Amino acid sequence: GESVGLHLPTLSVQEGDNSIINCAYSNSASDYFIWYKQESGKGPQFIIDIRSNMDKRQGQRVTVLLNKTVKHLSLQIAATQPGDSAVYFCAETRYNQGGKLIFGQGTELSVKP
Amino acid sequence: EAEVAQSPRYKITEKSQAVAFWCDPISGHATLYWYRQILGQGPELLVQFQDESVVDDSQLPKDRFSAERLKGVDSTLKIQPAELGDSAMYLCASSLALDRGLYEQYFGPGTRLTVT
Repeated sequence: GESVGLHLPTLSVQEGDNSIINCAYSNSASDYFIWYKQESGKGPQFIIDIRSNMDKRQGQRVTVLLNKTVKHLSLQIAATQPGDSAVYFCAETRYNQGGKLIFGQGTELSVKP
Repeated sequence: EAEVAQSPRYKITEKSQAVAFWCDPISGHATLYWYRQILGQGPELLVQFQDESVVDDSQLPKDRFSAERLKGVDSTLKIQPAELGDSAMYLCASSLALDRGLYEQYFGPGTRLTVT
């Protein structure tokens, strides 16, 4: 069946280190991917997106990599800060689904000062 | 900065009672979504509106859940009767224009429902 999932449920890093959060998807027809950050008690917040015609996209301190061959997505956070502590979700959608997002389970990132 | 508004933020209700949640999307956003998020999991879509029309309610338990967006702006999600398994976070999101490929969804703070 179709699914979007994360390899690691929890990730603990030292402040200043780089973080890598991984995500696997099962449907090669997926053509748009989004990373969301969700802090405790809040709704998901858009971080960065990538379309299937790209393999890398960079934002401010974040980079998303897409490997369509192995259906893998990753989020890299440079110089991780305590404020980055949150649960991170990847989500997929397809143009023929009218924007319907399918979310993975989430990875909790904990940043140690 | 414009935000999606939701109320109430927290709701405690007894099973078999009725409960309603309200969402006001970002002004001008034609598409509105209701999601349910169980603790520790990603959000799951319940219903999607394009203006006042439902475009996807395939995951909405229609025997007890209903949603409306009468004037194509704000929306209400209702549960009647509530069951213990409905305890979750209910999230509302909106996006600007799917027909222009603008898929970014902006989420509200959610309503945390506890059914006792």
